[in-house]
Amino acid sequence: GAGVSQSPSNKVTEKGKDVELRCDPISGHTALYWYRQSLGQGLEFLIYFQGNSAPDKSGLPSDRFSAERTGGSVSTLTIQRTQQEDSAVYLCASSLAGGGGLGTFGSGTRLTVV
Amino acid sequence: GENVEQHPSTLSVQEGDSAVIKCTYSDSASNYFPWYKQELGKRPQLIIDIRSNVGEKKDQRIAVTLNKTAKHFSLHITETQPEDSAVYFCAANCNTGANSKLTFGKGITLSVRP
Repeated sequence: GAGVSQSPSNKVTEKGKDVELRCDPISGHTALYWYRQSLGQGLEFLIYFQGNSAPDKSGLPSDRFSAERTGGSVSTLTIQRTQQEDSAVYLCASSLAGGGGLGTFGSGTRLTVV
Repeated sequence: GENVEQHPSTLSVQEGDSAVIKCTYSDSASNYFPWYKQELGKRPQLIIDIRSNVGEKKDQRIAVTLNKTAKHFSLHITETQPEDSAVYFCAANCNTGANSKLTFGKGITLSVRP
């Protein structure tokens, strides 16, 4: 596609439920990143995928968070047993290669846990 | 790990004046420094970046300078316009091997008064 696509754009869920957020990166981009942005805050790194290498999961805040990237393309971020503090905008980004940082961000998924 | 700080958290300038936004970083191994602009409700957009082998880079009204010795880099916007009003994030990473995780600052809100 023309850009990084994320779905859903908005998600409201009840506390304790599981959610899945999807990211479809730009075709051919080997690097994919998930970041989280709470209201009025900066960008918090969650996880980074680069090609077939083991992902860098050092930013995942708890074991309730996990992510997969199937076939080197689409990625799914899963949050189990959601808590209110999980409410944030979850941003995905991709780039051509791992070096040099990010290329393009998606428009994000706004998650609200009630 | 890397720690990136931005000060102040807000900056207000008169239209037409220049704005300078500063960031410091902690990891002397960092070698890539991008700046992102995020308008209200939108995704972050890369506006300019600099690598550690240069000290300054310009693109029309914006420029970035890097002082590796002091471990700080700055975004300069000249002839500011109301549409420059946004949150600006700086970031740093060490572009070695597979680790390209960007560490972001918390952002500075720039307001340009018409």
